[in-house]
Amino acid sequence: AQSVAQPEDQVNVAEGNPLTVKCTYSVSGNPYLFWYVQYPNRGLQFLLKYITGDNLVKGSYGFEAEFNKSQTSFHLKKPSALVSDSALYFCAVRVSSKLIFGQGTTLQVKP
Amino acid sequence: IAGITQAPTSQILAAGRRMTLRCTQDMRHNAMYWYRQDLGLGLRLIHYSNTAGTTGKGEVPDGYSVSRANTDDFPLTLASAVPSQTSVYFCASSEESRDPPLPQNTEAFFGQGTRLTVV
Repeated sequence: AQSVAQPEDQVNVAEGNPLTVKCTYSVSGNPYLFWYVQYPNRGLQFLLKYITGDNLVKGSYGFEAEFNKSQTSFHLKKPSALVSDSALYFCAVRVSSKLIFGQGTTLQVKP
Repeated sequence: IAGITQAPTSQILAAGRRMTLRCTQDMRHNAMYWYRQDLGLGLRLIHYSNTAGTTGKGEVPDGYSVSRANTDDFPLTLASAVPSQTSVYFCASSEESRDPPLPQNTEAFFGQGTRLTVV
């Protein structure tokens, strides 16, 4: 089955430190990968995507993600975390025009 | 401001009642989606529509129906609500519905959600 997995329910990081939120995928063919962020009581907001081209993708709010085909991963990264980055992050893969989401990872950035 | 509007924002519903969640977008997007969000399960696709006049089943379609009479509206109906349908429901749309997609039009835009409690 085509799917996406986020192995960590929660990631804790101190403000100013680098952060990584992990995502792995299982799809046949070329993967189209996305990251979304959800703040409390809000809908999801698009952060970045990988469709083709450069494996390092830059997105909103200083986030970036690296597509690794051999490891089937698309980890979200940021060099220096902010307290305001605390939110729920979702990785997603597009399969036959449908977006399939991972379970979500709560990012907690502490001052 | 262009975007997706969902109504109502929240609802408490008696089991067995019929309920329609409304979703309207003004971006002229081809594709629309309904998801439910449950703790620990992420977002699960209920139904989708690639273009007006067509619909398809997602991961968890049972107990739900949709229609897509025009480009802008994509209502989700619970014919006879049950407590397991208590959830937060999100409507989304994207411009691109083809597969493989054009790279520039693939991201989805989400509404603010409808919090539904079935008692």
